[in-house]
Amino acid sequence: TQLLEQSPQFLSIQEGENLTVYCNSSSVFSSLQWYRQEPGEGPVLLVTVVTGGEVKKLKRLTFQFGDARKDSSLHITAAQPGDTGLYLCAGPVFNAGNNRKLIWGLGTSLAVNP
Amino acid sequence: DTEVTQTPKHLVMGMTNKKSLKCEQHMGHRAMYWYKQKAKKPPELMFVYSYEKLSINESVPSRFSPECPNSSLLNLHLHALQPEDSALYLCASRRVDRGNEKLFFGSGTQLSVL
Repeated sequence: TQLLEQSPQFLSIQEGENLTVYCNSSSVFSSLQWYRQEPGEGPVLLVTVVTGGEVKKLKRLTFQFGDARKDSSLHITAAQPGDTGLYLCAGPVFNAGNNRKLIWGLGTSLAVNP
Repeated sequence: DTEVTQTPKHLVMGMTNKKSLKCEQHMGHRAMYWYKQKAKKPPELMFVYSYEKLSINESVPSRFSPECPNSSLLNLHLHALQPEDSALYLCASRRVDRGNEKLFFGSGTQLSVL
C-alpha cells in the first residue's frame, strides 16, 4: 500500500519566519501535488511536480520533487498571515480496478501569527 | 468559468431525514468526485464518476447514494445518516492537462447529523 507521510502535522509561526513542510513515501510516484485549503473552502491546487529533482517557485513558495520521486518539500519564505491554512500533498495511484485516484498525506495545519 | 458550485453550503439533518447534496460544473470536465473531510484531516474519496458512469466506489455505506444526471451535475443522496457522518462533503471535477490531472474543488457542504 502506498502511503504519503507528511510532517510536521501542525505548525504555528510568527509572520516573517521561514518554514518547510515535507511529504515522504517509500514508493515512487509519477508526480506529486500540493494543495492549500483555507477554512470553509475546498483545497486549491498549488503545483504539480513531475520530474525528479524538479524545483518550482510560486512567489514565496518553493516546491521540490526528490531525485528518486519518492518525496517532496514545500518551503515558504517570509510567511504571512494569508499563508495560514491546511497544506496537503497528494499523489496518483491505481486501484485494483486500474482506476487512477489520489492518495493524500495527513496534511500540515499552518498558522501564521501577525 | 473555473468554478465548482455546491449547494447547500450548510445542512443540518436528523437521522431519519432524506436530503440531497448538489454539485455543478460547466468547465466541460468529464470526471467528478465526492469526498468526505473531517476537520484538519485530508479528504477521503467516496465516489468517482467518469463520463457519467460510476468508476470508483470506495466501499461507501449504502446510506450515501451518488447520482450523475449529466456531465455537469453530480448529486449525493443521503438517507438514515449517523452522527459520525457529520463532515464537510466536497465535490471536485477533474481536468487532464498534458497527462497531469488537476482537481477543482467546490467549497463543500458542511453537514451536521443530529
